[in-house]
Amino acid sequence: ETGVTQSPTHLIKTRGQQVTLRCSSQSGHNTVSWYQQALGQGPQFIFQYYREEKNGRGNFPPRFSGLQFPNYSSELNVNALELDDSALYLCASSLASSGVNEQFFGPGTRLTVL
Amino acid sequence: QKEVEQNSGPLSVPEGAIASLNCTYSDRGSQSFFWYRQYSGKSPELIMFIYSNGDKEDGRFTAQLNKASQYVSLLIRDSQPSDSATYLCAVGEFYGNNRLAFGKGNQVVVIP
Repeated sequence: ETGVTQSPTHLIKTRGQQVTLRCSSQSGHNTVSWYQQALGQGPQFIFQYYREEKNGRGNFPPRFSGLQFPNYSSELNVNALELDDSALYLCASSLASSGVNEQFFGPGTRLTVL
Repeated sequence: QKEVEQNSGPLSVPEGAIASLNCTYSDRGSQSFFWYRQYSGKSPELIMFIYSNGDKEDGRFTAQLNKASQYVSLLIRDSQPSDSATYLCAVGEFYGNNRLAFGKGNQVVVIP
């Protein structure tokens, strides 16, 4: 167990709806990264938050947004859901000052868009 | 845009044998290299990282890095059925925006 938690575990939505996914980082970690993993693919970087500031963004449209709270937990919001958004959404917790910056994943949220 | 390639198809190895996984990356500026194990339906689990050229051993796992060839590998010695999983190679940087770029993964099946 990494100490990283995510909720909900599973979610079913329909096209056009909005969804909010939540992540609590490991104790002592100040950075949360979000990834999308489609079936049969490796995780794709969405964005990263460090001390409540966005610290980089991958190649995802603006309808993917997020924030980080003072306790370093984080939310991922996706608006106007599309069928291709169906995937496993992973958050990873890390300590930015650790140099190598190992990232530890939570259990993920499986999103299905119908 | 970092690209990470894991081109081998599913790997079947007998129990007790060595499983060898390879990964190449495109960005010469990459500084840290990770191997994750992912069981079906689960999230990736960090096995080990390496950032210096050469070998790094951790139990039955050995990571090998060759920055000149932009190549990183993972050896699993004395393979066990519990090692059956998908292995993901990931590449990042020190400090800063350490987004990880992942390969597609290699499936390993250990046959008892």
